[in-house]
Amino acid sequence: QITLKESGPTLVKPTQTLTLTCTITDFSLTTSPGEGVAWIRQAPGKALEWLGIYYWNDDRFYSHSLGSRLTITKGASKTQVVLTMTHMEPVDTATYFCAHALTFCLETTCSFNMDVWGQGTTVIVSS
Amino acid sequence: SSDLTQPPSVSVSPGQTARITCSGDSLANHFSYWYQQKPGQAPVMVTFKDTERPSGVPRRFSGSKSGTIVTLTISEVQPEDEADYYCQSADTTDTYLVIFGGGTKLTVL
Repeated sequence: QITLKESGPTLVKPTQTLTLTCTITDFSLTTSPGEGVAWIRQAPGKALEWLGIYYWNDDRFYSHSLGSRLTITKGASKTQVVLTMTHMEPVDTATYFCAHALTFCLETTCSFNMDVWGQGTTVIVSS
Repeated sequence: SSDLTQPPSVSVSPGQTARITCSGDSLANHFSYWYQQKPGQAPVMVTFKDTERPSGVPRRFSGSKSGTIVTLTISEVQPEDEADYYCQSADTTDTYLVIFGGGTKLTVL
């Protein structure tokens, strides 16, 4: 059974860089075609916001809303995926989730789906 | 448009049927997915590929699609179904981008 757990700082100061780690069990990125690990965040009282995904073949796809601030990489361990977000601001205060992602295709188009989620980690941006 | 539109709230009495809609152009060409999120918890997928239900999800949850509108139907609503529900699909012009609806608060009266 796949499980995911997010870890990282609870408090970061404005302009600092946030680094979060997603540790995964019972899943290997390198041996799972069509699967990946996605990052999603949720500001207090707001809707879910997809940030990006690290795909099984080392492709990365990012939300356009964050521009070049966001990078998702594979950790030193094959069981970790790392989110790095630069120039943090108070509006980035949110719960950050990582999730296992699958790919489903309908005729000629495909989409990602997050079937298993981590518990989330709260990040507060404040001086 | 790459937006998914949901009603902010839906209210039903226990035992009734709740229907939550989600509309968006991208739904015509992409699968839809629904998530349930209870306060303080991570989202849980309740339907995928428009109409399929993951194992472990009660049979009272079902999904349907008609053109650019998808509907999550919860039959015989239980008090524990009170939660926020989010639809999800892919961007109209970039299939590798995930989009979420704004969420619907289901209140069980």
